[in-house]
Amino acid sequence: VTLLEQNPRWRLVPRGQAVNLRCILKNSQYPWMSWYQQDLQKQLQWLFTLRSPGDKEVKSLPGADYLATRVTDTELRLQVANMSQGRTLYCTCSGTGGALAEQFFGPGTRLTVL
Amino acid sequence: QQQVRQSPQSLTVWEGETAILNCSYEDSTFNYFPWYQQFPGEGPALLISISSVSDKKEDGRFTIFFNKREKKLSLHITDSQPGDSATYFCAASPNYNVLYFGSGTKLTVEP
Repeated sequence: VTLLEQNPRWRLVPRGQAVNLRCILKNSQYPWMSWYQQDLQKQLQWLFTLRSPGDKEVKSLPGADYLATRVTDTELRLQVANMSQGRTLYCTCSGTGGALAEQFFGPGTRLTVL
Repeated sequence: QQQVRQSPQSLTVWEGETAILNCSYEDSTFNYFPWYQQFPGEGPALLISISSVSDKKEDGRFTIFFNKREKKLSLHITDSQPGDSATYFCAASPNYNVLYFGSGTKLTVEP
């Protein structure tokens, strides 16, 4: 059963252009949603965890700037700007305790810099 | 600073052998340790996890051994199959929400 949908699945991004990503939660048992990045060397890194609609956070990392927004209980968005190196962005979901606290990854959005 | 370290970077075993993947961590507040399996072009998939109150967790051919005193854990894959060929990531968390990942071990199982 698919818990998360991500779109687009891949995108070519002209240098200097921002791109907007979407993640849709399919199972309300896992309401905590997060973003992770995976760089070209396959290193995974946590970016944000947004729990409630209206939550917003920004972060600048080597190679990209991020703005994350929890739009609704089931939708998470990420704007990626100033990207200088390709990467894959994963949305995750988890519950609030016990076995439901385990974190599940979406299929990812692969970004390539033109 | 890398909070979670994995070794080896790559590992090749023959079908039927036991693959052993190692992981260590720095932060003593980490209390939850999942292992993820990732195939090319896919997102990481949760394979098996352990909390710091246990020293062993078994699920079929996959077993985690955990040594809290030494801050080390290992994933043993018994009777390895070619379909187990993937990259395996060890992760650690103090609160289940933020996962800190190791750099991964690429496992190849030769038939």
